[in-house]
Amino acid sequence: GAVVSQHPSWVICKSGTSVKIECRSLDFQATTMFWYRQFPKQSLMLMATSNEGSKATYEQGVEKDKFLINHASLTLSTLTVTSAHPEDSSFYICSAWGGRGGQPQHFGDGTRLSIL
Amino acid sequence: GQNIDQPTEMTATEGAIVQINCTYQTSGFNGLFWYQQHAGEAPTFLSYNVLDGLEEKGRFSSFLSRSKGYSYLLLKELQMKDSASYLCAVKGSNYQLIWGAGTKLIIKP
Repeated sequence: GAVVSQHPSWVICKSGTSVKIECRSLDFQATTMFWYRQFPKQSLMLMATSNEGSKATYEQGVEKDKFLINHASLTLSTLTVTSAHPEDSSFYICSAWGGRGGQPQHFGDGTRLSIL
Repeated sequence: GQNIDQPTEMTATEGAIVQINCTYQTSGFNGLFWYQQHAGEAPTFLSYNVLDGLEEKGRFSSFLSRSKGYSYLLLKELQMKDSASYLCAVKGSNYQLIWGAGTKLIIKP
């Protein structure tokens, strides 16, 4: 099946640090990649949608200057949490979609971010 | 507005059958997905329905009725490893997924 690789799996860092998370589709070309955030015992919350070569579309309430998304190729998207603070601590998950209607989104393993 | 409803939590016994329901109201419909998510892990794809009827895949089956805005996921021969959250998601008119809050399934021996 389709494989999406997300790195790193865990990040623990000090407040004020910027953190970059990578999402790669390993065996298919991802027309669109999605970035989600999930708090404990809550559902997935879509943060932004990114298409290769164009600016990401952010959901309401998500600061685009705080969460920088780059979708440089059909197999790679990155999310940078800039000047992270403890309230940014969460589980961040990316997914990739190949562009055909019936195809599911395939998820990376997620990144657990802890800001001290 | 757009809305997806599924029960918050269900409990079932190992070896039994359980049905997890999902009702939806969305602007446009381009398919319904079921995902499984174990605690602390990312979701994994289980099934996809775009036409009415039943899709069977091993111990798991998914049903869709577009006229009723209704789907269910049926899990047979339950195993302890099936304890997880099950997420219903509808692909709306803009092709983004609209997610339900998930149903936490607890399997007891």
